[in-house]
Amino acid sequence: AQSVTQLGSHVSVSEGALVLLRCNYSSSVPPYLFWYVQYPNQGLQLLLKYTTGATLVKGINGFEAEFKKSETSFHLTKPSAHMSDAAEYFCAVSDYNAGNMLTFGGGTRLMVKP
Amino acid sequence: EPEVTQTPSHQVTQMGQEVILRCVPISNHLYFYWYRQILGQKVEFLVSFYNNEISEKSEIFDDQFSVERPDGSNFTLKIRSTKLEDSAMYFCASGGANEQFFGPGTRLTVL
Repeated sequence: AQSVTQLGSHVSVSEGALVLLRCNYSSSVPPYLFWYVQYPNQGLQLLLKYTTGATLVKGINGFEAEFKKSETSFHLTKPSAHMSDAAEYFCAVSDYNAGNMLTFGGGTRLMVKP
Repeated sequence: EPEVTQTPSHQVTQMGQEVILRCVPISNHLYFYWYRQILGQKVEFLVSFYNNEISEKSEIFDDQFSVERPDGSNFTLKIRSTKLEDSAMYFCASGGANEQFFGPGTRLTVL
């Protein structure tokens, strides 16, 4: 079975500061990893994904994440936070042996202070 | 840009009633999914559907739930007899292993 752990259900940063949202996973097969963002009362929007190849992946809105197999981590970063980044962020792992189902972490609510 | 659409955006129903949630996946996608998110909790997988049959389902997806692709475009989730604990946001997604595109969700409230 796969699982995803997101450390920190709430993270608060100042505008312009570094954003770091943590994600650790467990998977019995090479993982496909994803970060989704959810703005209030909206659906899930894909920020970025790792499938194979380069371990540093860039996504939309200036976000990037690095797959570290040795640490079973896929942390999300952004050099400089904007007010518009305030949202809930979900890390997920795909199980292609089980209908490609996504297993999500508990989510991290990012708050950006002016 | 193509997107997944869902109707209705909100559904209020009485306990014990049947509800059907509708989704129109992105047209060239072959894999379809339903997830749910109970208020304040994580997103949970319900079911995946490929080649006109269920490919995987979670323990949440019991006999009260069913999915159907009645025509070439729609993908529906039916809850036969709703319970209070079925109140949640239900998301449809389409795509494949490399990524899934989510719809905006249907908020189901069971009274």
